[in-house]
Amino acid sequence: QKEVEQNSGPLSVPEGAIASLNCTYSDRVSQSFFWYRQYSGKSPELIMSIYSNGDKEDGRFTAQLNKASQYVSLLIRDSQPSDSATYLCARGGSQGNLIFGKGTKLSVKP
Amino acid sequence: GAGVSQSPSNKVTEKGKDVELRCDPISGHTALYWYRQSLGQGLEFLIYFQGNSAPDKSGLPSDRFSAERTGGSVSTLTIQRTQQEDSAVYLCASSLALAGGVDTQYFGPGTRLTVL
Repeated sequence: QKEVEQNSGPLSVPEGAIASLNCTYSDRVSQSFFWYRQYSGKSPELIMSIYSNGDKEDGRFTAQLNKASQYVSLLIRDSQPSDSATYLCARGGSQGNLIFGKGTKLSVKP
Repeated sequence: GAGVSQSPSNKVTEKGKDVELRCDPISGHTALYWYRQSLGQGLEFLIYFQGNSAPDKSGLPSDRFSAERTGGSVSTLTIQRTQQEDSAVYLCASSLALAGGVDTQYFGPGTRLTVL
């Protein structure tokens, strides 16, 4: 069983729409969760971290965590073509490392 | 300030040769992580350093892989007798490693290794 699961996509949304990215994980003791964005040929960059159940908003981005359902999501409002990238979900591991899903490729069409 | 730097950016080698990859973390970051990203795969955790110490090396894919960190700063990842399946982008990340949780990790640009 994969530790962190994401739909590989591609997820295609029109410009200005809400993009919804989902992630499930199998380790019930995980306490920290992260969303990274990775443009093609580039390294991952952190978008959001979330540690508590509920929503966390930062600009156009909202992360949602439900520990009971082992589910974390990322909503991108007013999607822009520049948001087109692969979005990586990760949970914190026992060594302070990150355990990543394979990523969801998002395409925002003008 | 300067971010995480890695060298070389690209490395092409022949099967069976040894390679050494370098990571220079953000100044003051005590934790350093190595990951590997193969085509179509997610990021795979390899090894973690807290200071100069690597408490757990079980993430390294085989005994051909080794890593060290000196002076609490620069780290090198060495792959001996490279194989074609070692071809990947090797990413280094560093963090402040604040107590009580997983701290934000900042990634370097990676080294793209191609084994012919």
